[in-house]
Amino acid sequence: GNSVTQMEGPVTLSEEAFLTINCTYTATGYPSLFWYVQYPGEGLQLLLKATKADDKGSNKGFEATYRKETTSFHLEKGSVQVSDSAVYFCALSVDNTDKLIFGTGTRLQVFP
Amino acid sequence: GAVVSQHPSWVICKSGTSVKIECRSLDFQATTMFWYRQFPKQSLMLMATSNEGSKATYEQGVEKDKFLINHASLTLSTLTVTSAHPEDSSFYICSARGTSGRYEQFFGPGTRLTVL
Repeated sequence: GNSVTQMEGPVTLSEEAFLTINCTYTATGYPSLFWYVQYPGEGLQLLLKATKADDKGSNKGFEATYRKETTSFHLEKGSVQVSDSAVYFCALSVDNTDKLIFGTGTRLQVFP
Repeated sequence: GAVVSQHPSWVICKSGTSVKIECRSLDFQATTMFWYRQFPKQSLMLMATSNEGSKATYEQGVEKDKFLINHASLTLSTLTVTSAHPEDSSFYICSARGTSGRYEQFFGPGTRLTVL
């Protein structure tokens, strides 16, 4: 079946540190991959996406590359800020459907 | 970006009662709305997909008679948890998609339901 596995949190970093949140997936068909972010008290927001192998999604300094050979879509940012503190969800959809399958979320805490 | 609201943000009810949760798209017309459920430290699980004016499509294992979904207008969908029991306690999240941006779902902030 289709599933997403992401690293457990919380991830605790100092400001300006490098961030990696791992995400791997299992999918039948040809998935599209997403990262969503949820700030405290708000709904999930689409952060970035990639729809085919080797695509790189990027937004707000975050990047993730669709790696078909390793079935991964790791989220990275070179220098995190306190304002990046949030919960990050990796997700996929398959075969051009609207159905999103989410990972469990990873809480990121950035301290000044 | 587009805004989706949910009401109430939290609710506590007695076992056996019914609870209605509203999901509204505030500045766009949502042709499709989705309802998710999230248990602590677990991922969001899609419960059902609803299109305006038609019956909702439920995911396997979701009781349609227990979780009634109505999408009567392009800006409002409701989820009613009927005869709620403690095991229904969870975080319910809706999302909405408009006519453009196929993969763009806009999420509400969620509703925490506690059944005593």
